[in-house]
Amino acid sequence: AQTVTQSQPEMSVQEAETVTLSCTYDTSENNYYLFWYKQPPSRQMILVIRQEAYKQQNATENRFSVNFQKAAKSFSLKISDSQLGDTAMYFCAFMKPDYGQNFVFGPGTRLSVLP
Amino acid sequence: DTGVSQDPRHKITKRGQNVTFRCDPISEHNRLYWYRQTLGQGPEFLTYFQNEAQLEKSRLLSDRFSAERPKGSFSTLEIQRTEQGDSAMYLCASSLGTVTEAFFGQGTRLTVV
Repeated sequence: AQTVTQSQPEMSVQEAETVTLSCTYDTSENNYYLFWYKQPPSRQMILVIRQEAYKQQNATENRFSVNFQKAAKSFSLKISDSQLGDTAMYFCAFMKPDYGQNFVFGPGTRLSVLP
Repeated sequence: DTGVSQDPRHKITKRGQNVTFRCDPISEHNRLYWYRQTLGQGPEFLTYFQNEAQLEKSRLLSDRFSAERPKGSFSTLEIQRTEQGDSAMYLCASSLGTVTEAFFGQGTRLTVV
């Protein structure tokens, strides 16, 4: 079974600084997808960024980028120029096509952006 | 379409009562997922539909849990004989296509007293 680990339960960063959230996963599969989701307080989860395992190039979305190390099974999220609105729980998720199409989530990292 | 909607947003029920939650996915999405999220944890997969077919239900927590999606549009999740341990946020998500992101609703928070 696939598992996702996020070793940082809580993190904080000063506004405008850069922060990196860690995620590791365990799988024997070769074809899969990885995601970072953001869950602001009392609000719904939204997708931050996704990465296809067959792509070597790291995904980027504006201030958000990932460092995908397939051999190490590592998928970290870097947030540049942190903003107060980035304060949220961040969940790393794994999905294998045809594996019930379900997303396996990590336990989350609570990020606080400080003014 | 404004996204995935869930109803009710909050539900307080007495132990032993049955509860039913509704999820309306994004209209063109053919996949619908139910997750449970307890405080401080990531979402835990419960079940999944492709159109009206329930393709995975082995992760439903017990036989007290059941889900339907009768016409391939909205879905309901029912919990019978609720227990205090059922208190959690129940999330619904939908997606389109073979491999795309899942869009989540705001969830239904269940409190069993």
